[in-house]
Amino acid sequence: AQSVTQLDSQVPVFEEAPVELRCNYSSSVSVYLFWYVQYPNQGLQLLLKYLSGSTLVKGINGFEAEFNKSQTSFHLRKPSVHISDTAEYFCAVTLNYGQNFVFGPGTRLSVLP
Amino acid sequence: DTGVSQDPRHKITKRGQNVTFRCDPISEHNRLYWYRQTLGQGPEFLTYFQNEAQLEKSRLLSDRFSAERPKGSFSTLEIQRTEQGDSAMYLCASSLGPGTTNTGELFFGEGSRLTVL
Repeated sequence: AQSVTQLDSQVPVFEEAPVELRCNYSSSVSVYLFWYVQYPNQGLQLLLKYLSGSTLVKGINGFEAEFNKSQTSFHLRKPSVHISDTAEYFCAVTLNYGQNFVFGPGTRLSVLP
Repeated sequence: DTGVSQDPRHKITKRGQNVTFRCDPISEHNRLYWYRQTLGQGPEFLTYFQNEAQLEKSRLLSDRFSAERPKGSFSTLEIQRTEQGDSAMYLCASSLGPGTTNTGELFFGEGSRLTVL
């Protein structure tokens, strides 16, 4: 069965600084990878996804992520964060379109003024 | 609004009572999922439907939990004899099934927060 690890439970960073949120997955077969963002008391919103093709994927709000098959990683990055990026970020994996997603425990990004 | 909607958004109940949550998916989506999210954790899979058929259930779904999707449209999640450990956010999501039009992601509602006193 697949699993997702997000090693950093909390990441504080100053406004306009770069940030990287780490995600590693475990699976014996090929997977599809996603990053979701959750603002307080709201549902999850898709940031970006890797299905196939280019390993560098760009998403909304200036975020991007790179799929690294050899390191089984899918780290999320943004070159310059804003206060409004403060939220919980979840990495998720699925084996196939429409099947059950497995989510990581989340990383709380706090952007400080 | 054509997104996933959930009702109620908040529910406070006493231990031992039954509660029911409703989810209306995006209309053309034939797959519907229920997840549970506790404070500081990622969503945990509970169950999912393909149209009206319940295809998979997690071991988290004890016999006090039941989900239905009778006509392949909206779904209900019922918790009987609630316990304090059931306090959580219950998230519903929908997606297209396998096929060329599927873009892969789940679309989530805003959740139903349950507090059991």
